[in-house]
Amino acid sequence: AQSVTQPDIHITVSEGASLELRCNYSYGATPYLFWYVQSPGQGLQLLLKYFSGDTLVQGIKGFEAEFKRSQSSFNLRKPSVHWSDAAEYFCAVDQGGKLIFGQGTELSVKP
Amino acid sequence: DTEVTQTPKHLVMGMTNKKSLKCEQHMGHRAMYWYKQKAKKPPELMFVYSYEKLSINESVPSRFSPECPNSSLLNLHLHALQPEDSALYLCASRENPQGNQPQHFGDGTRLSIL
Repeated sequence: AQSVTQPDIHITVSEGASLELRCNYSYGATPYLFWYVQSPGQGLQLLLKYFSGDTLVQGIKGFEAEFKRSQSSFNLRKPSVHWSDAAEYFCAVDQGGKLIFGQGTELSVKP
Repeated sequence: DTEVTQTPKHLVMGMTNKKSLKCEQHMGHRAMYWYKQKAKKPPELMFVYSYEKLSINESVPSRFSPECPNSSLLNLHLHALQPEDSALYLCASRENPQGNQPQHFGDGTRLSIL
């Protein structure tokens, strides 16, 4: 069975600083990978996805992620964080039509 | 703005009540999902409907009863719930049951059991 690990439960960054959220997966073949963001009281919004091809994918809100097969990683990055980016971030992998989620990383942004 | 609409946004019910949660999507998606999410946790899959037929039931207690009346609508009927069932219930849809398309989520129904 596939699994997803997000090693950081909570991260705090200053507004304007760069951000990297880590995600590691276990899967034999090329995975379908996703990053979702969840603001308080809301559902999950898709930030970006990776299926194949270019390993650096661009998403919404200035986010990008890089797929590294050798490290089984799909880390999310943003060059300059805004206060509105404070939220819960979930990495997920598709397993036969079912999403397997990581435990999530809560991002706090300091003024 | 979400393309998956869930109603109601909030629901408070007693343990003996019967209520229903509703989910609609008009994107022509043929797979629809119900998730349960507790605070500070990822969503947990409950049910999957593929082409309007129940394809996955993740061993959910029978007090939760899903229904898919048509390709755009998904209901979750609730009866005799327990306090531990208090959670955010999320609906999602996807273009097809298999493949590489992402799931699109609604904003959820916040359910509180008294």
